[in-house]
Amino acid sequence: LAKTTQPISMDSYEGQEVNITCSHNNIATNDYITWYQQFPSQGPRFIIQGYKTKVTNEVASLFIPADRKSSTLSLPRVSLSDTAVYYCLVGDSNQAGTALIFGKGTTLSVSS
Amino acid sequence: EPEVTQTPSHQVTQMGQEVILRCVPISNHLYFYWYRQILGQKVEFLVSFYNNEISEKSEIFDDQFSVERPDGSNFTLKIRSTKLEDSAMYFCASNWSQETQYFGPGTRLLVL
Repeated sequence: LAKTTQPISMDSYEGQEVNITCSHNNIATNDYITWYQQFPSQGPRFIIQGYKTKVTNEVASLFIPADRKSSTLSLPRVSLSDTAVYYCLVGDSNQAGTALIFGKGTTLSVSS
Repeated sequence: EPEVTQTPSHQVTQMGQEVILRCVPISNHLYFYWYRQILGQKVEFLVSFYNNEISEKSEIFDDQFSVERPDGSNFTLKIRSTKLEDSAMYFCASNWSQETQYFGPGTRLLVL
């Protein structure tokens, strides 16, 4: 499993765009990049997944450069409710039943 | 939207007692998982389950743990003789195949 590195914490203000970058230098060819969000005392929640280039959904965008050694989760115009821990996971999502390996994640604090 | 549900939301038990944590995965999902998160620490994989068998387990999942799918809807985690260090949030997750895992809200277990 590819090891990931992401900032321990980030601070932002409401209305700003937040970009959280994750490094995964030894990502394998079959690996996908997945981001989860976790609020206190709740289970992790899937945000977005991608393999290369850019993926966008109603919640976030995921930018992946050509070498795939890093990825950036972009949250547009954050609000107080986006305060949470964000996890970057890298693994072969084509293998059903595979354990998700979580790191410490990035704690995002949004202030008014 | 279908959700993974877990009961109870909180459980307090005495050290040495047996506890059973219950989960109802999303109905058409085939793969089931248990994770735990000790307060202030990262989410840790315990076990995955498919076709009535354990498909993968971590070092944490020792002989005091067991899982069962007693009927077509429930998925349970049993801890035979609880220890103080078993105090944690326990999350159940499920998925269909390669897709993302969907997590339940968790059971907070406190061992006294």
